[in-house]
Amino acid sequence: ELKVEQNPLFLSMQEGKNYTIYCNYSTTSDRLYWYRQDPGKSLESLFVLLSNGAVKQEGRLMASLDTKARLSTLHITAAVHDLSATYFCAVEGAGKSTFGDGTTLTVKP
Amino acid sequence: GAGVSQSPSNKVTEKGKDVELRCDPISGHTALYWYRQRLGQGLEFLIYFQGNSAPDKSGLPSDRFSAERTGESVSTLTIQRTQQEDSAVYLCASSRQVRDTQYFGPGTRLTVL
Repeated sequence: ELKVEQNPLFLSMQEGKNYTIYCNYSTTSDRLYWYRQDPGKSLESLFVLLSNGAVKQEGRLMASLDTKARLSTLHITAAVHDLSATYFCAVEGAGKSTFGDGTTLTVKP
Repeated sequence: GAGVSQSPSNKVTEKGKDVELRCDPISGHTALYWYRQRLGQGLEFLIYFQGNSAPDKSGLPSDRFSAERTGESVSTLTIQRTQQEDSAVYLCASSRQVRDTQYFGPGTRLTVL
């Protein structure tokens, strides 16, 4: 059974700081997704990572994938308040995605 | 174009009643997924449909839960004899093909009293 663990589950950071969210998974997969969810809203796709060493960046967010270590990271650079949300990673296996429990990020001024 | 839509947006029901939740996927998307999200938690996979293949029902928590999909269009998730632990947001997503990026609907918030 595929298990996906995210840490930290809660993250409070100041504007302008950098931080990394980690996503570990238990079995081999070649596809990993990052989603964002704002309070009371649905999920929005951020990144799809398809191969070992894949790196994708958009704005202040950068995601990477190490399939050998079964690890993905979501790095936040110079955080701003607008990035406050819950971030989920999801790992694809057998046609369906298994989600982590999410990391709730709060960016304070 | 239009995104994934779900109805109703909110549903309050009494314990023991049946409920039906609806999902309209993005046109042309062959894969459709249902998830459950309890308050403050991650997404729990329920079922997915891919084209005309048999659905993967491996995530359905009990035989009170069932889902149908008409071709590559609308899907309904039915919960019979609802229980309080069924209270959650039920999210539907669709993708062009299975394994592609999923696009999520706004969800149906179900409250069982």
